Amino acid sequence: DVKVTQSSRYLVKRTGEKVFLECVQDMDHENMFWYRQDPGLGLRLIYFSYDVKMKEKGDIPEGYSVSREKKERFSLILESASTNQTSMYLCASSLGGSDSPLHFGNGTRLTVT
Amino acid sequence: GQNIDQPTEMTATEGAIVQINCTYQTSGFNGLFWYQQHAGEAPTFLSYNVLDGLEEKGRFSSFLSRSKGYSYLLLKELQMKDSASYLCAVSGAGSYQLTFGKGTKLSVIP
Repeated sequence: DVKVTQSSRYLVKRTGEKVFLECVQDMDHENMFWYRQDPGLGLRLIYFSYDVKMKEKGDIPEGYSVSREKKERFSLILESASTNQTSMYLCASSLGGSDSPLHFGNGTRLTVT
Repeated sequence: GQNIDQPTEMTATEGAIVQINCTYQTSGFNGLFWYQQHAGEAPTFLSYNVLDGLEEKGRFSSFLSRSKGYSYLLLKELQMKDSASYLCAVSGAGSYQLTFGKGTKLSVIP
């Protein structure tokens, strides 16, 4: 069965800290994505990657960076966490092509205090 | 850019039929997805439409009209477990990106 695993379910960090959110998929998928989900705003794309070492900005990349050194792993980095980055972060992967459905991890609820 | 609209909330009765609409305006369009998301859980894939018409999958069906920028998700024989948010998402032409609507929270009542 398809599996996308996010390393933490809940995280609490302080303002200014560097934060790493890790995501691993075991399906040999080409594409990986990071979204954040906020009440009233829905799912918004932060960054995505369609190949190892490749990355593309989504709709809201400011304050974030990503790393994809291996096909199965896609990391989201908050260089200096701020309170407006408190959110639910969802990682997803897809096989390839614009008709491939996304498979989501269970999410990381990040609170920045 | 992409603009996707769907109702914020809907309520329906167990055993009934409900239709959740989604309209979109996009600069390029390839296809439209529907996802289901139960509270506190990850979204899961329900359906994908690329051609006009109705796609049926058990109790769930999804319809697309490309010329009207319109889709709907039809849920039949509603069950309590269908209480969830339903997310409409559009994939742009030649793009891996999905743009999501804000979701419709469906409450099924006895």
